Amino acid sequence: DARVTQTPRHKVTEMGQEVTMRCQPILGHNTVFWYRQTMMQGLELLAYFRNRAPLDDSGMPKDRFSAEMPDATLATLKIQPSEPRDSAVYFCASGIYPGEAFFGQGTRLTVV
Amino acid sequence: QQPVQSPQAVILREGEDAVINCSSSKALYSVHWYRQKHGEAPVFLMILLKGGEQKGHEKISASFNEKKQQSSLYLTASQLSYSGTYFCGTEIYSKYIFGTGTRLKVLA
Repeated sequence: DARVTQTPRHKVTEMGQEVTMRCQPILGHNTVFWYRQTMMQGLELLAYFRNRAPLDDSGMPKDRFSAEMPDATLATLKIQPSEPRDSAVYFCASGIYPGEAFFGQGTRLTVV
Repeated sequence: QQPVQSPQAVILREGEDAVINCSSSKALYSVHWYRQKHGEAPVFLMILLKGGEQKGHEKISASFNEKKQQSSLYLTASQLSYSGTYFCGTEIYSKYIFGTGTRLKVLA
């Protein structure tokens, strides 16, 4: 049963610490998305990759966020330094453009 | 630029029908629909690629009107399992954007 796997599922960290979230997309999918969801802002696209190349990361605060795909089986989202306003659920999704996108279960990040 | 969905929220009794609309101020070339249950990840329902295209999933179907720059999601004979928040999504100027969301609650 193919699925997008995200780790960790939950993360509590102190302000100023580095946070790394990982995503294993479904094998064969060529598009990977990172989203952030909060009650106030809803679902926001942070970045997305097609064939491992970054297509759009305009939704990310560039000074603290970075997204990479070191290989086809791993996408990472880093926050350094983290701030309380970064607390949210971060979703990774993969798909075959322009087809459906499969979402991972998300990483619930709390920055205290 | 965010597509606007209407209504924002709707409450139904089991077996009733509902329509959720997604309207964009920019040209739409494709529309995706997702459902998200509380505490879970969004789940893809369907994609509409052509103007006027209609697709179906279970008793849920959707239409896409390019001229009107809108898509509608139709829920027929709603079930308790249909409860959740529905999002449309589309690519606008190379950015993928979700709509404002519609919270749907089906009561027994």
